[in-house]
Amino acid sequence: GAGVSQSPRYKVAKRGQDVALRCDPISGHVSLFWYQQALGQGPEFLTYFQNEAQLDKSGLPSDRFFAERPEGSVSTLKIQRTQQEDSAVYLCASSLALGLANTGELFFGEGSRLTVL
Amino acid sequence: AQSVTQLGSHVSVSEGALVLLRCNYSSSVPPYLFWYVQYPNQGLQLLLKYTTGATLVKGINGFEAEFKKSETSFHLTKPSAHMSDAAEYFCAVSDQGTYKYIFGTGTRLKVLA
Repeated sequence: GAGVSQSPRYKVAKRGQDVALRCDPISGHVSLFWYQQALGQGPEFLTYFQNEAQLDKSGLPSDRFFAERPEGSVSTLKIQRTQQEDSAVYLCASSLALGLANTGELFFGEGSRLTVL
Repeated sequence: AQSVTQLGSHVSVSEGALVLLRCNYSSSVPPYLFWYVQYPNQGLQLLLKYTTGATLVKGINGFEAEFKKSETSFHLTKPSAHMSDAAEYFCAVSDQGTYKYIFGTGTRLKVLA
């Protein structure tokens, strides 16, 4: 597609439910990122993939959060046993560059807004 | 550790007036600097970036920003505000050659008719 596509756009979950958020990056983009944006805050880094390899998951808040990109294209962010503090917008971004060394530009999707009741 | 400070979570300007959104960073070496805009229910869109070279950077929609190393600042300006500029603006920084962005908390710009 022309841009980064995320689904679902909105998700309401009961506390304790598992959720899965999907990201379809721009075709050919090597790098893929997940960010978490809490209400009134800037995006915060969660994890980074280069092709199918997850090179950095230092931003994942707990072991309930898991991300994968098995074929180096579509990525899924999974949150197990959701808690109220997980409520946020989850942004996916992709980039053509390896490590952003040259262009530094990320292309963001519209985000998935998760509300945990 | 890197950090970004955006002064003013909300800024209001009249249509046609100067827009000035402030961003200061902390870094021991010159980083890469970015401004992104976020319209309601949309993703972030790159306005402009500074990596190396000319310190005055021009971006889309008439915005520009100047990297001032001595002040560790990267303020965003636009000479004349349009109603369509109403959005949230995020300043971000990354260490040169790395992938991890640090974002500020954002400034919501309101343009008054």
